[in-house]
Amino acid sequence: NAGVTQTPKFRVLKTGQSMTLLCAQDMNHEYMYWYRQDPGMGLRLIHYSVGEGTTAKGEVPDGYNVSRLKKQNFLLGLESAAPSQTSVYFCASSYLEGSYEQYFGPGTRLTVT
Amino acid sequence: GQSLEQPSEVTAVEGAIVQINCTYQTSGFYGLSWYQQHDGGAPTFLSYNGLDGLEETGRFSSFLSRSDSYGYLLLQELQMKDSASYFCAVREGYGQNFVFGPGTRLSVLP
Repeated sequence: NAGVTQTPKFRVLKTGQSMTLLCAQDMNHEYMYWYRQDPGMGLRLIHYSVGEGTTAKGEVPDGYNVSRLKKQNFLLGLESAAPSQTSVYFCASSYLEGSYEQYFGPGTRLTVT
Repeated sequence: GQSLEQPSEVTAVEGAIVQINCTYQTSGFYGLSWYQQHDGGAPTFLSYNGLDGLEETGRFSSFLSRSDSYGYLLLQELQMKDSASYFCAVREGYGQNFVFGPGTRLSVLP
């Protein structure tokens, strides 16, 4: 099993450009999450999904959109990138509702200039 | 909402025992979890406490006191590879909105 994978690993964008980050998991998990982590800080939840076709806002959703068209994939979109969105983005998944054991992907390092 | 506090840094020597504390303020509490993250790596799950008391997993133990809104992670027989950041996290409400603490950077010295 590959676990949770993220594409791409690195990306540099100019202000105003758009992009989509892809997260895929092969563990048949129902729940998926997108976090951002700024230098020296903890993780902040952007959006999450409790199943195929569902999404919900987390702590810091502004400037991001998500989609979960297939159970194994969770996409994070930036429509108009801003320097404040420079961060490391982690995707995670979990099996049970309320499960505290989340499995994280390797992260995507995004720089917006 | 939730807020969590952790010490920013802790230093200890190989073979020692270290305790990393986490205090939280919540409008509803559904358990405390701990994650480890090495530099440049992804967080990995260590432990979870839903009820008061101590949970032990090998060299790592985690404790929770709901009446004190306090928990800690105890690492025994420290090894160099334990040098990492450690995060506590709680779930906010009935949803899947998880809130992480700011993290504690542990440095293990030879």
